[in-house]
Amino acid sequence: GAVVSQHPSWVICKSGTSVKIECRSLDFQATTMFWYRQFPKQSLMLMATSNEGSKATYEQGVEKDKFLINHASLTLSTLTVTSAHPEDSSFYICSARRPPLVGETQYFGPGTRLLVL
Amino acid sequence: GENVEQHPSTLSVQEGDSAVIKCTYSDSASNYFPWYKQELGKGPQLIIDIRSNVGEKKDQRIAVTLNKTAKHFSLHITETQPEDSAVYFCAASLKYGGSQGNLIFGKGTKLSVKP
Repeated sequence: GAVVSQHPSWVICKSGTSVKIECRSLDFQATTMFWYRQFPKQSLMLMATSNEGSKATYEQGVEKDKFLINHASLTLSTLTVTSAHPEDSSFYICSARRPPLVGETQYFGPGTRLLVL
Repeated sequence: GENVEQHPSTLSVQEGDSAVIKCTYSDSASNYFPWYKQELGKGPQLIIDIRSNVGEKKDQRIAVTLNKTAKHFSLHITETQPEDSAVYFCAASLKYGGSQGNLIFGKGTKLSVKP
């Protein structure tokens, strides 16, 4: 399957700091990328959808000023958790989708575990 | 909107036995149904998918069946091995205009394969 990478794989930070997570599609150009959040023993919760070159579309209840998403190129999307607080601690997973002409299969990254102290 | 129900939430089988996980969806317009395997601490891995123009798809020990009339699809794993132990998620999506909509996930099934 296709490869999607995330960096860092885990991060510990102090409350009030900002954290940036990078997501890269390594072997295809992804016009659409997604950011999910997953709590322990739960399913994936979609936070936002980003299309290259345009503003991200956030799901209801997700603060766009809190979770800044930038889809700068067809292979890179970043999620910045601004002024992180302990309640932002979670497992964040990005996903990249192949373009329509090649099936639109969606692949996930390995995830980033964020712990805010 | 679309809703996906997944059963069972936990499944324990003996090594070598088969495992079946079932999902139902609500929107008859859904046309794409992937299955993901998630191991502890890792991201979901696509293991098989099926589109609405076919009823069954196989890949070695894994198969997926789709019943569009009943709006349900199932994952079948034969000759289970301990390394099959993981959480499995089903998902569904439908096309809006020219592109596929967002995946709607089931709540997951924790499969345990006992040696």
